[in-house]
Amino acid sequence: AQSVAQPEDQVNVAEGNPLTVKCTYSVSGNPYLFWYVQYPNRGLQFLLKYITGDNLVKGSYGFEAEFNKSQTSFHLKKPSALVSDSALYFCAVRDMNSGAGSYQLTFGKGTKLSVIP
Amino acid sequence: NAGVTQTPKFRVLKTGQSMTLLCAQDMNHEYMYWYRQDPGMGLRLIHYSVGEGTTAKGEVPDGYNVSRLKKQNFLLGLESAAPSQTSVYFCASSYLTRGTNQPQHFGDGTRLSIL
Repeated sequence: AQSVAQPEDQVNVAEGNPLTVKCTYSVSGNPYLFWYVQYPNRGLQFLLKYITGDNLVKGSYGFEAEFNKSQTSFHLKKPSALVSDSALYFCAVRDMNSGAGSYQLTFGKGTKLSVIP
Repeated sequence: NAGVTQTPKFRVLKTGQSMTLLCAQDMNHEYMYWYRQDPGMGLRLIHYSVGEGTTAKGEVPDGYNVSRLKKQNFLLGLESAAPSQTSVYFCASSYLTRGTNQPQHFGDGTRLSIL
């Protein structure tokens, strides 16, 4: 079974400060990990993914995420937050060994990010 | 390039009524998915399809049926709507690839209220 935990329902950060949105995962094999962002009344938009290789993954809009296998974490980060980054962020995982026939992502419950001007 | 298009965007139903939600994608994706999003629960997979003519159950399939008669379309049906099915429904699609995973592309959702 695969699961994702986003321990914070909400994160508040001042504009210009660095931001971190936390994600931990559980899979029996190796993970594929994703971050998505959702703006009000819109669908989810892909930000970045970790498949294999470098532990620091760079994505859209200046976001990056750090994969830590020993801590089973995949935290989303940005060096300098913008007000326009305010949105709902979802972490998702798939077990690499689950096979193409059962391609299912498991999503976390989401973290609401508020960037304060 | 429209991506993933969902119709309708909003709908109010009475308990016991039936309806079909339509999802269309123009990216030639093999995989398609239906999710529901409820406050504090994230996204939960209802059904998915790995290709034309094939469907499979996800995490919360009860009360829903799906069909994929054409590669670009994925229909979600509610035969007898219940208030517990009040939710925002999202359709997504993705490529089938070996060795890597492609991101899912989402529509903007259908907001369904059942009275």
